[in-house]
Amino acid sequence: EAGVAQSPRYKIIEKRQSVAFWCNPISGHATLYWYQQILGQGPKLLIQFQNNGVVDDSQLPKDRFSAERLKGVDSTLKIQPAKLEDSAVYLCASSSESFSPLHFGNGTRLTVT
Amino acid sequence: DAKTTQPPSMDCAEGRAANLPCNHSTISGNEYVYWYRQIHSQGPQYIIHGLKNNETNEMASLIITEDRKSSTLILPHATLRDTAVYYCITSTSGSRLTFGEGTQLTVNP
Repeated sequence: EAGVAQSPRYKIIEKRQSVAFWCNPISGHATLYWYQQILGQGPKLLIQFQNNGVVDDSQLPKDRFSAERLKGVDSTLKIQPAKLEDSAVYLCASSSESFSPLHFGNGTRLTVT
Repeated sequence: DAKTTQPPSMDCAEGRAANLPCNHSTISGNEYVYWYRQIHSQGPQYIIHGLKNNETNEMASLIITEDRKSSTLILPHATLRDTAVYYCITSTSGSRLTFGEGTQLTVNP
């Protein structure tokens, strides 16, 4: 079974620039999550999708972050404009249903200078 | 989800059992205990979960106290590849996980 794929692996941008991350979940997984992990902290949920609908985006900074999951498969997370405090690893995860374990990708490490 | 408390770090000798404690004294009756680990530069990896009964799989064992206020993750024969941050999380559904800072387990040769 192929795992959760994320790209790019690393990204360096200047503040006020925009950036996008891509995630391809495990085939057949209906639920997709984006997490932000700041260095030294545990991952923090940003948004949860069920198929192509948003289930929970309460912790997504909507003034600068946006996410979509077209056709209920791939997903993109965008930041515009980026701030220094957005420097973090952005993790994508998927699961087949409630109570099923989450499968994480290896993340995109974003550095904002 | 109940707040969990874990020691920030632990050491274990290679080949010995690693016992990682977690306190979740405010856990509610329908909350499961989940354990994930995160090896450096990788995403978190699911290990095991349970509600009341002790659980065992190919990776680890989970011991939950009778009052469910605490639990212990046991890696029976730790190897160097088990060096990671271990997260104990409570959840009613296994989704929308709230990660704390976890325990950094270092397995020494």
